[in-house]
Amino acid sequence: DGGITQSPKYLFRKEGQNVTLSCEQNLNHDAMYWYRQDPGQGLRLIYYSQIVNDFQKGDIAEGYSVSREKKESFPLTVTSAQKNPTAFYLCASTPHGGFGNQPQHFGDGTRLSIL
Amino acid sequence: GQQLNQSPQSMFIQEGEDVSMNCTSSSIFNTWLWYKQDPGEGPVLLIALYKAGELTSNGRLTAQFGITRKDSFLNISASIPSDVGIYFCAGRAVSGYALNFGKGTSLLVTP
Repeated sequence: DGGITQSPKYLFRKEGQNVTLSCEQNLNHDAMYWYRQDPGQGLRLIYYSQIVNDFQKGDIAEGYSVSREKKESFPLTVTSAQKNPTAFYLCASTPHGGFGNQPQHFGDGTRLSIL
Repeated sequence: GQQLNQSPQSMFIQEGEDVSMNCTSSSIFNTWLWYKQDPGEGPVLLIALYKAGELTSNGRLTAQFGITRKDSFLNISASIPSDVGIYFCAGRAVSGYALNFGKGTSLLVTP
């Protein structure tokens, strides 16, 4: 089945450590997105990529980094500079870049916690 | 991005009751989306709206794009226990590029 796969489901980080969250899609979508979700909050955009080898900062990019070397993959690295990384991270995709009127389809998320 | 005002924050109802929730923005939107999220899962798209006044149904769910283009509502008729979850509105401003999300409405349904 086509879809968005996020891994791992749960991830633990030690203080001062970088961790990378995986997001893979087999939908042949051009655009991919990373969101952060905190309890009782809406989703906030971290980074987005409208096409391979291109990405842009969202509203809360500080302390995060991404790469888009392949169309199907958009990994997110939570760096040690992110002082409050505990959250639920969601990856999404749309068929085309440029946002337009396309609804975003989400993966099942990765829950990151600090040890 | 802009934070949408979604209400109510939570609802606790009995099975069979109808449910209504809404979302408002300070900007004019050209897209309204409604998602449902189960615990530990990603949001799943329920209904997408693209025109002012548009009324769209998906089974027992009905959503409308407000004529002012600054609001949207979602109704659930004859609720059942599996309707439990968090419902999010999302929208895209005419002048914007990214989706803006509400904080969600948590729905609990008792048998």
